[in-house]
Amino acid sequence: GAVVSQHPSWVICKSGTSVKIECRSLDFQATTMFWYRQFPKQSLMLMATSNEGSKATYEQGVEKDKFLINHASLTLSTLTVTSAHPEDSSFYICSASLAENTEAFFGQGTRLTVV
Amino acid sequence: AQSVTQLGSHVSVSEGALVLLRCNYSSSVPPYLFWYVQYPNQGLQLLLKYTSAATLVKGINGFEAEFKKSETSFHLTKPSAHMSDAAEYFCTVSGPGTYKYIFGTGTRLKVLA
Repeated sequence: GAVVSQHPSWVICKSGTSVKIECRSLDFQATTMFWYRQFPKQSLMLMATSNEGSKATYEQGVEKDKFLINHASLTLSTLTVTSAHPEDSSFYICSASLAENTEAFFGQGTRLTVV
Repeated sequence: AQSVTQLGSHVSVSEGALVLLRCNYSSSVPPYLFWYVQYPNQGLQLLLKYTSAATLVKGINGFEAEFKKSETSFHLTKPSAHMSDAAEYFCTVSGPGTYKYIFGTGTRLKVLA
């Protein structure tokens, strides 16, 4: 199957700093990628849909100025957590699909800890 | 609107016993249904998918699921549980013409020795 690579797998940062997470489709082009947030022992919460060459579509309640998404190429989407605070600590996962209605391929996830 | 309900946030079975994880969906259009497995601190791995072909779908690691339209269900089963099956399982629904996936709340499977 297709491979989605996410980097870094874990990161610790200080409050007030920004952190960038990368999501790459390694062997296919992805016009659309998704960013999820997962709290401990909970399901995935869709944060935003990342569209190549255009603005991301954010889900209700997700601060677009806090979570900046850039999808500059067909193989790379980035999520930047700006001015991070401890409450932003979470597991972030990206996904991409080859086409509509096909299975999503997930990155390995990024464990963010803000201290 | 589409939604997914997973009954039972925690399921425990003995090694060698039948695994049954329940999933019911709601969709006004023919759904596409998936089961994913997640191991601790990892991404999600596809177990199997239903995309309007055969109603009994076989996946990896001996898992299978049956799509029952009359019951709006897509339960996941495995005849004999193995210790390595202990993980979190997510039922997911998607609809025609969309990349979006709606996730269930997940079921944590525990396998007892």
